[in-house]
Amino acid sequence: QSALTQPASVSGSPGQSITISCTGTSSDVGGYNYVSWYQQHPGKAPKLMIYDVSNRPSGVSNRFSGSKSGNTASLTISGLQAEDEADYYCGSYTSTSTVFGGGTKLTVL
Amino acid sequence: QVQLQQWGAGLLKPSGTLSLTCAVYGGSFSGYYWSWIRQPPGKGLEWVGEINHSGSTNYNPSLKSRVTISLDMSKNQFSLKLTSVTAADTAVYYCARGILSFDHWGQGTLVTVSS
Repeated sequence: QSALTQPASVSGSPGQSITISCTGTSSDVGGYNYVSWYQQHPGKAPKLMIYDVSNRPSGVSNRFSGSKSGNTASLTISGLQAEDEADYYCGSYTSTSTVFGGGTKLTVL
Repeated sequence: QVQLQQWGAGLLKPSGTLSLTCAVYGGSFSGYYWSWIRQPPGKGLEWVGEINHSGSTNYNPSLKSRVTISLDMSKNQFSLKLTSVTAADTAVYYCARGILSFDHWGQGTLVTVSS
């Protein structure tokens, strides 16, 4: 199966908001409300930040929010902080498997 | 607090078999799906497969012919075997809890395939 499409990089200044997109098809992102987002710092395991499109696990800052429109899901981070600098991956359920995006590197300027 | 701890051989020769095990501590093993996900160096995540508490499995179609995931309920452990490995299988392999999303992850094991 093809990976979901994410921008390779995004950047923002402290305090600003950024949005990362994740584009799939009607067979994955558009077909199910099972999009998740993961934050990964260098050398560390990924951390779940958003599940089921827009839900935050306990302990995740409310600066992180998720949404979806058609075949594209989005992760928005508001009030950017230095510790938000990391790689971010989207994931989506399909009818037979799970597929991830290629990842987006967030740089906090 | 749920913790996943994984282990296995880190260096394999081409055509060999990758074998990793993941132990689950501090939470229920039953009632969840357990997954393996890999990440080639410098690249993105790739879902390998999953197993539930009753032993039902589902694998990435691109790896299905070479992958087996099994579980040992008595030890709260699940395992991954990947046969006929090549350099393309070099990656950090993670175990994780979940099916639609993955909320707990192991620390990762770098598996290098090289002659």
